[in-house]
Amino acid sequence: GEDVEQSLFLSVREGDSSVINCTYTDSSSTYLYWYKQEPGAGLQLLTYIFSNMDMKQDQRLTVLLNKKDKHLSLRIADTQTGDSAIYFCAESTMAGNTPLVFGKGTRLSVIA
Amino acid sequence: DVKVTQSSRYLVKRTGEKVFLECVQDMDHENMFWYRQDPGLGLRLIYFSYDVKMKEKGDIPEGYSVSREKKERFSLILESASTNQTSMYLCASKDPPPVDEQYFGPGTRLTVT
Repeated sequence: GEDVEQSLFLSVREGDSSVINCTYTDSSSTYLYWYKQEPGAGLQLLTYIFSNMDMKQDQRLTVLLNKKDKHLSLRIADTQTGDSAIYFCAESTMAGNTPLVFGKGTRLSVIA
Repeated sequence: DVKVTQSSRYLVKRTGEKVFLECVQDMDHENMFWYRQDPGLGLRLIYFSYDVKMKEKGDIPEGYSVSREKKERFSLILESASTNQTSMYLCASKDPPPVDEQYFGPGTRLTVT
């Protein structure tokens, strides 16, 4: 079945770049997503990438997709303390009304 | 902006009580979902619904039921709350394909004592 894997923790210094990695198993994935969850809140969509793209940039965020290896990454440039959160990778297969498949989330800690 | 609202941010209930968690979305989405979130386990899907009065079991439906009488409202019911149902509960609704974005509510932190 579908599965999305990500490491659980990442710690970086303020001002450095953060790279959060994700692997997925479903080769029919059409869209891949990054969600951010701040403490005590729901998930908010950060960005998404269509499966026929290999890169998407949005201000400090860069998403890289390697479809051959089924690997997705999120790079945050100039990481700030406000970026501390849990980041979830998710995939969509457009299989009817099924929900997105989420990874377990990566907790990013930014050290001042 | 899509809004998904949940009836309570924090709830404390006693073991054995019947608990209702309400979720409302304002974007006329057909698909709605209930998840629970626990440390180290990520999001686990409890139930989802793709239309009024329709429901599908997710990965962990035991101990829960749902109701979808109106398109905008999806309720999660704990028939007899137990301490192992203490968790953060997240509701979501979803755009139709192709973009498929899911929008989440702020969550309800339920404590069962």
